[in-house]
This record gives sequence, structure tokens and C-alpha cells, in this order.
Amino acid sequence: KAGVTQTPRYLIKTRGQQVTLSCSPISGHRSVSWYQQTPGQGLQFLFEYFSETQRNKGNFPGRFSGRQFSNSRSEMNVSTLELGDSALYLCASSLRWDRVDTQYFGPGTRLTVL
Amino acid sequence: ELKVEQNPLFLSMQEGKNYTIYCNYSTTSDRLYWYRQDPGKSLESLFVLLSNGAVKQEGRLMASLDTKARLSTLHITAAVHDLSATYFCAVATAGGTSYGKLTFGQGTILTVHP
Repeated sequence: KAGVTQTPRYLIKTRGQQVTLSCSPISGHRSVSWYQQTPGQGLQFLFEYFSETQRNKGNFPGRFSGRQFSNSRSEMNVSTLELGDSALYLCASSLRWDRVDTQYFGPGTRLTVL
Repeated sequence: ELKVEQNPLFLSMQEGKNYTIYCNYSTTSDRLYWYRQDPGKSLESLFVLLSNGAVKQEGRLMASLDTKARLSTLHITAAVHDLSATYFCAVATAGGTSYGKLTFGQGTILTVHP
């Protein structure tokens, strides 16, 4: 079974631009969560989607947004990029949202903002 | 706000020795995860601990959960070089309408040397 896939794997942008990252969950998984990993702040939860609905949101500014499509694929968007947005963005999928379930992580998208 | 603290943050071990990584968390939860991350890679799920007293073992790693003490341990037995990685514990909490939010510890960087 294929794992979680994320595209692109690497991205370089400049301040003020916007970026869209994509995540395809494991086949059959309907819940997708996004996390940001930085050396200073560690791993932080961004948001979670299930059935095209945002179920939970972390403490990030409104510049960070996401959505989920009917095939469970998810995208996250960051507008007006800042230097501090440079990070590894990880997507995780799980089978369910309404009970405990293992989250399987993708390889991540490394975003560099210049 | 849930806080998850790991110690030690850095662990240098000799091959063949035993050691324990501790994970303390600040609010009630009976769902705890351990992940491994190799440099430049994503997170690999190691253990899911779902109840008080849960103990799981895989190879040289054994994880346990004490929900009353809000403590999980990851015990390493007879360390080998291949175990060198960063280990994260993460606590799942319900939020919004999901159980998908993971709050991560800072990570423990484990180096095993001859």
C-alpha cells in the first residue's frame, strides 16, 4: 500500500509570495492533518480535515489555510510568506477522526522563504 | 494548554547499554504515541499506547504509559548504532470535533556510538 505522498518536496519562495502544498493520504484514509516543524518551535499542529471539513485548528495566523477534496487529498496554502514560515511541513493521514488512530506521516515539503 | 516535555533532550549512548527516555505531559490523556525521525526524513510511527499500564515492545525498544502519573517511558535495551535518531512522544487530545491533534515533545536526539 502506498504511503502518504506530498508534493512538492522542496520549495523556495520569497517574502510576500504565497504557496500551496499538496498531500495525498494513504488509500482509504479520510483524515488528514498538517504539522509545521521548525528547529525553534518543534512540531506544531496546523489543522485537521475529515470529509472536506476542518475538524480542528492550531494556533496559527489566518495566512495559513487548508482544504480537503472529496477524494481526501488535501492542500494547505500560506499567503504573504514571511521568513519565519521556512519549515518542514508534514502531512499525516489516519483512517478515522472520531477515535484514536495512528497518524502516518508523509515525507514532508521543505519550504524555504528568502 | 497541554505541554509535553521529554528528557533528556540529548542522549549519547554506548552500544550495548540500556537507557530510558521520559515523556511527561500536563493534562489528562490516555493516548500517547512514540515516533522516530531520522535526519532529513519524516516521522515513523513506533508505538501507540492507549490505556493506563499499556506496555508495548518492538525489538530493543519498549514503551509504557502511566496515565495517573502522566508519564510515558521509552526504554532502550542493548543499544545499537541503527537506533541513532530523534525520538518524539506525542499526546493526542480531543479538540474541535476530532481526536487528531497531536502535541509533540521537543524530541530526544539519540546517538549510539561504539
